[in-house]
Amino acid sequence: SQQGEEDPQALSIQEGENATMNCSYKTSINNLQWYRQNSGRGLVHLILIRSNEREKHSGRLRVTLDTSKKSSSLLITASRAADTASYFCAQGAQKLVFGQGTRLTINP
Amino acid sequence: GAVVSQHPSRVICKSGTSVKIECRSLDFQATTMFWYRQFPKQSLMLMATSNEGSKATYEQGVEKDKFLINHASLTLSTLTVTSAHPEDSSFYICSAPLVGQQGSPLHFGNGTRLTVT
Repeated sequence: SQQGEEDPQALSIQEGENATMNCSYKTSINNLQWYRQNSGRGLVHLILIRSNEREKHSGRLRVTLDTSKKSSSLLITASRAADTASYFCAQGAQKLVFGQGTRLTINP
Repeated sequence: GAVVSQHPSRVICKSGTSVKIECRSLDFQATTMFWYRQFPKQSLMLMATSNEGSKATYEQGVEKDKFLINHASLTLSTLTVTSAHPEDSSFYICSAPLVGQQGSPLHFGNGTRLTVT
């Protein structure tokens, strides 16, 4: 299976703290994407990082990519209750394959 | 921004009946759409790739006669779950790439919660 793995599977932190989620994948990639899913809803694209990039920022999001280790991380800084959701990494050329996801809970 | 509309959001049906789920791209054309299935607290599993004007491409283990996909136009793809059984109960989500490039970000519908009784 090409499906990647994410850790932790679940993460619970206090509002204001930073949240870090990790993703490992198995095959070579052109890019890696991160998505967010609120409970019972579809996914929302957050950020795409290309294989020749090492770090990318978008607002409070910071994504890193280490192609030598086939891993990526998503950092959410200054977390808010509204950040509570599941976060998935995804990769693939013709069709995206999603990781197992991290369920993030931000406690007020 | 680009939006994918999926309908219905919830459906309950009896065993043996068929259910049709629609996925529409709003404000953009989608020659390709993807259908995913998601079990509670699990990841998305790609079921099939819907191609406008040609047959859908199904992933290994997905029965094409059970999950009928029709990409009727550049803005509409439908998934019909035929002869539904309780084990088909799941969350079905469609998506489409805004830009027709490999590996481009996907825009997702809000999903359909199917319950088969």
